[in-house]
Amino acid sequence: EVQLVESGGGLVKPGGSLRLSCAASGFTFSSYSMNWVRQAPGKGLEWVSSISSSSSYIYYADSVKGRFTISRDNAKNSLYLQMNSLRAEDTAVYYCARGQTTVTTHFDYWGQGTLVTVSS
Amino acid sequence: SYVLTQPPSVSVAPGKTARITCGGNNIGSKSVHWYQQKPGQAPVLVIYYDSDRPSGIPERFSGSNSGNTATLTISRVEAGDEADYYCQVWDSSSDHQVFGGGTKLTVL
Repeated sequence: EVQLVESGGGLVKPGGSLRLSCAASGFTFSSYSMNWVRQAPGKGLEWVSSISSSSSYIYYADSVKGRFTISRDNAKNSLYLQMNSLRAEDTAVYYCARGQTTVTTHFDYWGQGTLVTVSS
Repeated sequence: SYVLTQPPSVSVAPGKTARITCGGNNIGSKSVHWYQQKPGQAPVLVIYYDSDRPSGIPERFSGSNSGNTATLTISRVEAGDEADYYCQVWDSSSDHQVFGGGTKLTVL
């Protein structure tokens, strides 16, 4: 059974940093692209970042480029999102989602999300 | 950047057919994927590559894509189909994933 479990969310002050993790199991992690998608309270889904299976291709939404860094450790079956210079508008539930062998397509499994709150 | 436009809400009576549209410039040339999200839950993929259904998704869910509009069709709507629905595409011009704003489906 495919499982994605996010962790690392919490309350952080504006300008602060946070590192999210996503532990994957039930599939060959190193064969799939991975993604972060967020959802602000009461709002729709917003794509944040994608990374290919071997980390060769990395993409970011304009809203986070230069502040967030996606990475993965295929030996540990883990996906990460390093978030720096956090702003109030980054407050959201952050979901880890599995892509396919190519980065450019759909997300077939999602974690339950971790809440990030940016507030003073 | 590429924009996907969805109606904020769609209402339908039980047993009827619901159609949720996703508009975008020449969207017919892209692959469209659809997600269902119920309150307090993570999204679930219901349609991928315009019209394919993942295992476990009822045949009542179908999709089409042509011209400037993609459509998610839900036949014989049930109360359990009440949820938010999002369309998604890959925009190769910007190398970005793009989500529509979402449509709230209400079963009357």
